[in-house]
Amino acid sequence: GQQLNQSPQSMFIQEGEDVSMNCTSSSIFNTWLWYKQDPGEGPVLLIALYKAGELTSNGRLTAQFGITRKDSFLNISASIPSDVGIYFCAGQLYTGANSKLTFGKGITLSVRP
Amino acid sequence: NAGVTQTPKFQVLKTGQSMTLQCAQDMNHEYMSWYRQDPGMGLRLIHYSVGAGITDQGEVPNGYNVSRSTTEDFPLRLLSAAPSQTSVYFCATGRDQPQHFGDGTRLSIL
Repeated sequence: GQQLNQSPQSMFIQEGEDVSMNCTSSSIFNTWLWYKQDPGEGPVLLIALYKAGELTSNGRLTAQFGITRKDSFLNISASIPSDVGIYFCAGQLYTGANSKLTFGKGITLSVRP
Repeated sequence: NAGVTQTPKFQVLKTGQSMTLQCAQDMNHEYMSWYRQDPGMGLRLIHYSVGAGITDQGEVPNGYNVSRSTTEDFPLRLLSAAPSQTSVYFCATGRDQPQHFGDGTRLSIL
């Protein structure tokens, strides 16, 4: 089956720093999505990307859909303590009525004050 | 997580018992799905539905049944609970992808 690779498993940064996370796949996707999960809660959709090469921002977050359709990155600028959480990438491939979403295993982000 | 309601929030079962996890949404979304989340495994798709009367299997469907008789509800049934099904279960809805997740059901099988 399709697999998404997110690494490293954990990242530690200083408050105010920028951080970039990559997500790669051996398969192509039509849609890339980035989610954040806080402890004890469900994931929250941050950014959705629908077109190869697309660059989208949401506040301090910027994400890009790779030209090859096999990768995406998420950038967080000027990190703050509430950015702490698990960040998941997900890829979706539409094949007729089939629209399964595959998630990466997530990156746990810690922000030191 | 307004709009997606999962019940119960916590449940402990004995091996072999059956139960239904409920998921209800009031956003008129066609797409509903169930995921399980285990440490180090991320989120894995169990079953999903693109509309009332239509369901399909995800990555890990064995041991689970679903039905979608209405747009609003998408229950997940465990037929005969096994310890390997101990997990946190999330329901997610959207127009055509999971945009809104519920708060999860934490399920332990003894």
